[in-house]
Amino acid sequence: NAGVTQTPKFQVLKTGQSMTLQCAQDMNHNSMYWYRQDPGMGLRLIYYSASEGTTDKGEVPNGYNVSRLNKREFSLRLESAAPSQTSVYFCASSLHLSNQPQHFGDGTRLSIL
Amino acid sequence: GQQLNQSPQSMFIQEGEDVSMNCTSSSIFNTWLWYKQEPGEGPVLLIALYKAGELTSNGRLTAQFGITRKDSFLNISASIPSDVGIYFCAGPPPPNTDKLIFGTGTRLQVFP
Repeated sequence: NAGVTQTPKFQVLKTGQSMTLQCAQDMNHNSMYWYRQDPGMGLRLIYYSASEGTTDKGEVPNGYNVSRLNKREFSLRLESAAPSQTSVYFCASSLHLSNQPQHFGDGTRLSIL
Repeated sequence: GQQLNQSPQSMFIQEGEDVSMNCTSSSIFNTWLWYKQEPGEGPVLLIALYKAGELTSNGRLTAQFGITRKDSFLNISASIPSDVGIYFCAGPPPPNTDKLIFGTGTRLQVFP
């Protein structure tokens, strides 16, 4: 049982380049999330999707876009990468919103030079 | 925005010792979640708490939902080297229960 799978695991970009981070879950969960993790700041929510066809902004959405491609997949796009977006990105999923525990992937480590 | 404050920020203990950490909020929470993150991996759910006063165990781990609903505690008994990692508390900030906010974590190091 794979759970939440993120690709790629590592990526280095130059400032201004674009990139899409992929996430897929096989737990038949309705809700999916994208977080970034920076040293000393814990996890901060970028965007989330309550169900297929819906997306909403989280705490730090600027510079990102998302697509809920289907129930399984939720992608995060950086249109014009900036050094401030250097971080570890985590995708998570839960059965529904509202108090449901979230299950995380292993992260994508992104460096922007 | 709302924050969850975790303490201590880091702990360096010897194998076999017990560990206590806590998480506090300025607002009342209806759910508390505890996660552990090991190097190079994503957070893994340890314990979920849904009722004030609730005490739940998972092996050597025990977590409690504070009576005031503004705090939660995690204890690890008889620590072992594989307990090393960062422990995060999380919860849905009222009134919006659609999202989770996370504490900044307690980093645990266990020495043999």
